[in-house]
Amino acid sequence: EDQVTQSPEALRLQEGESSSLNCSYTVSGLRGLFWYRQDPGKGPEFLFTLYSAGEEKEKERLKATLTKKESFLHITAPKPEDSATYLCAVHPNQAGTALIFGKGTTLSVSS
Amino acid sequence: DAGVIQSPRHEVTEMGQEVTLRCKPISGHDYLFWYRQTMMRGLELLIYFNNNVPIDDSGMPEDRFSAKMPNASFSTLKIQPSEPRDSAVYFCASSFRSRGLLIQNEQFFGPGTRLTVL
Repeated sequence: EDQVTQSPEALRLQEGESSSLNCSYTVSGLRGLFWYRQDPGKGPEFLFTLYSAGEEKEKERLKATLTKKESFLHITAPKPEDSATYLCAVHPNQAGTALIFGKGTTLSVSS
Repeated sequence: DAGVIQSPRHEVTEMGQEVTLRCKPISGHDYLFWYRQTMMRGLELLIYFNNNVPIDDSGMPEDRFSAKMPNASFSTLKIQPSEPRDSAVYFCASSFRSRGLLIQNEQFFGPGTRLTVL
């Protein structure tokens, strides 16, 4: 069964304290892996798509990486405005299959 | 573009009543998705459409749930009769698939409808 697991469920950081969020997946084949950010009371907002192992993408203080079994979202010197829930989703390699989302990691950054 | 539009934003109803949620996708997108989000289960796919045709409705909880997409710019999710366990935030999302690619592009989510069934 295709599965996406994110860890930790919650993470508290001090401003400037770098860390990483993990997304591990078990799928028959991977067409792509997506990272989203969700603020309270809003819909998820797209951040990155990764297609193959070894690929990396960056946006401001965020960098996403991908291996054959997991993806990491690295947060460098976070600020309070980075506080949100980060969701990982995979697109399995099956025709007609939509995204499978993890339950997310809720990040809190305090000043 | 205004993005994905959902209405209403909040709905409070009593058990047994019919509830209809509405969604207008981004113009030009040929995929439309309905999700439900709860603390316990996270974000769950209910059903998705491609070119107005339902492709996968295996996530629809039971026959009380139905979804339609009469045209490319409008979709509804109906719950009849509603039950307290249906209380959740319901999201609509849309995307498109570039020609020649096997993977769909990123999904754009609406602001959600927070449903409370008393």
